[in-house]
Amino acid sequence: DAGVTQSPTHLIKTRGQQVTLRCSPKSGHDTVSWYQQALGQGPQFIFQYYEEEERQRGNFPDRFSGHQFPNYSSELNVNALLLGDSALYLCASSLLGDPYSNQPQHFGDGTRLSIL
Amino acid sequence: GNSVTQMEGPVTLSEEAFLTINCTYTATGYPSLFWYVQYPGEGLQLLLKATKADDKGSNKGFEATYRKETTSFHLEKGSVQVSDSAVYFCALSDLETSGSRLTFGEGTQLTVNP
Repeated sequence: DAGVTQSPTHLIKTRGQQVTLRCSPKSGHDTVSWYQQALGQGPQFIFQYYEEEERQRGNFPDRFSGHQFPNYSSELNVNALLLGDSALYLCASSLLGDPYSNQPQHFGDGTRLSIL
Repeated sequence: GNSVTQMEGPVTLSEEAFLTINCTYTATGYPSLFWYVQYPGEGLQLLLKATKADDKGSNKGFEATYRKETTSFHLEKGSVQVSDSAVYFCALSDLETSGSRLTFGEGTQLTVNP
């Protein structure tokens, strides 16, 4: 049973470019959350998707957007990249059901994004 | 808003030593509390959780008790191993005020020497 998978593993971009990161949730999960983890910091919540809609959003600018597909997989898009966007981007999925129930979140290994 | 504060790190211990990593929180509702562990080059793994006051979460020899009176959720292990070396994150989710999103502390780097 595959866990949460993210692609790509590493990515290098330059300022001003756009990037798309991908996430496949753990089998049976229908809720996907995205987090940004800067070096030496704890993860920061970006947004959460359920039933193909953004249900919650953290304190991130509109440059950060996402999508969830009918098969529950998700994408994170970041436009107009800044140096400060360099981070590990983590995807987490949770068990089937109401996203407002307190099911533990399962994390992928992340995508390391470097901005030059 | 919600926040989590962890003890400043890093922490370096010898094998078989006793471990405590302090965690305190601020929340407007009645949060659930979690400890996650991150090994080098990997994502976060749920270590243990507690969903209400006085609950004790435990896993792999690690324990933490939800203390509402002191707003704390300290992580303890009686005898650490080299394989416990990792970064440990305390986190909360507050369903009433912010849904199931996780709010994390800064993390504590643990190094265990043989």
